[in-house]
Amino acid sequence: DAGVTQSPTHLIKTRGQQVTLRCSPISGHKSVSWYQQVLGQGPQFIFQYYEKEERGRGNFPDRFSARQFPNYSSELNVNALLLGDSALYLCASSSGTGASYNSPLHFGNGTRLTVT
Amino acid sequence: LAKTTQPISMDSYEGQEVNITCSHNNIATNDYITWYQQFPSQGPRFIIQGYKTKVTNEVASLFIPADRKSSTLSLPRVSLSDTAVYYCLVGDMERIRNKLIFGAGTRLAVHP
Repeated sequence: DAGVTQSPTHLIKTRGQQVTLRCSPISGHKSVSWYQQVLGQGPQFIFQYYEKEERGRGNFPDRFSARQFPNYSSELNVNALLLGDSALYLCASSSGTGASYNSPLHFGNGTRLTVT
Repeated sequence: LAKTTQPISMDSYEGQEVNITCSHNNIATNDYITWYQQFPSQGPRFIIQGYKTKVTNEVASLFIPADRKSSTLSLPRVSLSDTAVYYCLVGDMERIRNKLIFGAGTRLAVHP
């Protein structure tokens, strides 16, 4: 079975631009969440979506938005990019409404975003 | 969410057993303990999860004392490919859902 897939794998943007990152969850998984990982730190929670509805939001500015499609894939959008947005953006999926005992998160390998 | 404390880094050699201890003094009754492994430029990978006593799978063992204020991830006979960052997470999985809180993790280096 395919794992969580993310595209693109790498991306270079300039300040002020907008970016869209894409994620396809594991087949059968209905919950998708997004994390930002800055070099040397652990992943930081951005959003969770389940059945196309936002179920959780981390401490990120409104420049960050996301959505989930009927096939459970998801997009993360970041507007007005800043240098500090340079990071590895990770998508994770899980079955049911979210991670629970015996239903851990499965992460993709991320999109490396560089803002210059 | 319970705060966790784990060593910033550890070194080991191939074939040795590695034990990484995580402290979580304010763990709540409904909290589970979960460990993830992350290689460079990859997403974290679930290793093991437990509530109390001992849990073992094909990759690792997790030891949790009766007071649950700490836990130890045990990796038997490590190899160079076990070099990675290991994260200890504690939380009520039903309440936090996918909002996992990662710390800085423990950077394990396995040497030949």
